[in-house]
Amino acid sequence: DAGVTQSPTHLIKTRGQQVTLRCSPKSGHDTVSWYQQALGQGPQFIFQYYEEEERQRGNFPDRFSGHQFPNYSSELNVNALLLGDSALYLCASSLQGVGQYFGPGTRLTVT
Amino acid sequence: GENVEQHPSTLSVQEGDSAVIKCTYSDSASNYFPWYKQELGKRPQLIIDIRSNVGEKKDQRIAVTLNKTAKHFSLHITETQPEDSAVYFCAASSVDDYKLSFGAGTTVTVRA
Repeated sequence: DAGVTQSPTHLIKTRGQQVTLRCSPKSGHDTVSWYQQALGQGPQFIFQYYEEEERQRGNFPDRFSGHQFPNYSSELNVNALLLGDSALYLCASSLQGVGQYFGPGTRLTVT
Repeated sequence: GENVEQHPSTLSVQEGDSAVIKCTYSDSASNYFPWYKQELGKRPQLIIDIRSNVGEKKDQRIAVTLNKTAKHFSLHITETQPEDSAVYFCAASSVDDYKLSFGAGTTVTVRA
């Protein structure tokens, strides 16, 4: 039984570019949440997807968008990258939002 | 929104001693409180959680207590071992607010 997987592992982008990160939830889970974790800080909630719709959103600008597919996998898109977007992006899956299990994360570096 | 404060930010203990991490939350609607352990360069790992209808929960050397009136909850690790060294995060959420609000983390170092 595979846990939560994310791709890619690492990514280097230039300011102004766009990036897409991917997440496959744990088997049996139907909800995907995305978090941003800056170095030395706790994860910050970006948004959550359930039934292919954004169910809740944190305090992140519209440059951050997402999508959930019928197989429950999800993508996080960030447009017009800023230096401050450099962080570890974590995906967490759960069954209807409760008991979130994290993936290994994608380390994004914006130069 | 929910605000979770976590103390201390660093904790150094001798192997075999106990470690206690405390968190407070602001939203009285919060009713689910998980704890995560994150080793360097790895994913946060759910180690124990508690719901507001329970005051205490134990799992081997780990226990969590919850005081709803005071809006605080704590993680207790007994008989600490070197492999307990990591960053620990507390979090809170409610049934109607699916996001997890995390504390800033506690770096625990177990000295051999």
